Amino acid sequence: ETGVTQSPTHLIKTRGQQVTLRCSSQSGHNTVSWYQQALGQGPQFIFQYYREEENGRGNFPPRFSGLQFPNYSSELNVNALELDDSALYLCASSLTGYGYTFGSGTRLTVV
Amino acid sequence: ELKVEQNPLFLSMQEGKNYTIYCNYSTTSDRLYWYRQDPGKSLESLFVLLSNGAVKQEGRLMASLDTKARLSTLHITAAVHDLSATYFCAGRSNFGNEKLTFGTGTRLTIIP
Repeated sequence: ETGVTQSPTHLIKTRGQQVTLRCSSQSGHNTVSWYQQALGQGPQFIFQYYREEENGRGNFPPRFSGLQFPNYSSELNVNALELDDSALYLCASSLTGYGYTFGSGTRLTVV
Repeated sequence: ELKVEQNPLFLSMQEGKNYTIYCNYSTTSDRLYWYRQDPGKSLESLFVLLSNGAVKQEGRLMASLDTKARLSTLHITAAVHDLSATYFCAGRSNFGNEKLTFGTGTRLTIIP
C-alpha cells in the first residue's frame, strides 16, 4: 500500500502571494485533513474533507481553502500569504473511524 | 472545545532510565493518539487508544488511557538514544469529524 505523499517538500514565497500545496491520500482512504505546524508547536487543524466536501474547519481565515478530488487527493490553497503562514503543512488521510497516516509535509517559508 | 496538555514540555534523561510523559485532556475524547516526530520530519503513529483502561506496548514504549481521569501516559522503559524525538498526544474531538487536537509536545533527549 502507498503512503501519503505531499508536494512540494519545500517552498519559498513572498508575502502577498498565493500558494497551492498538494496531497495524495493513502490508497483506500476517503478522508483528508490538513494541519499547520509552526516551529516548536503542535499541529493545528485547518480543515478536513470527506468525499469532496468540507467536513470541519479550524480557526483559520477564509484565505485558507481546499479541495478534494474524486480520487481523494487534495489541495490546500493559501491566498495573500503572511509571514506567520510560514510553517510545516501536514496532510493526513484516514479511512473513517480509525487511524491517520501523515505525509512528510511541505515546509513553507514566507519572506 | 477539546484542549490537550502535555507535560513535561522538555525532558532530558539518561540512557537506561525510565520516565513517563503525561497527557491531560479537557473534555470527552473517544480516542487518544500518540505520535513521534523527528526534527524536520512528519508524524509517525505510535499508538491509538480506544477505551478506558487500554494499554498498548511497542518495544520500550507503553501507552495507557484513563478516560475517567482524562489522562493518558506514555511510559519509556530503559531509554536508549534512538528514542530521542518529540512526542505528541492528540485527542479526537467529535465522532464523525475526525479533527485531532494536539498537545504542545514533549521534546525528549536521551543522554548517553
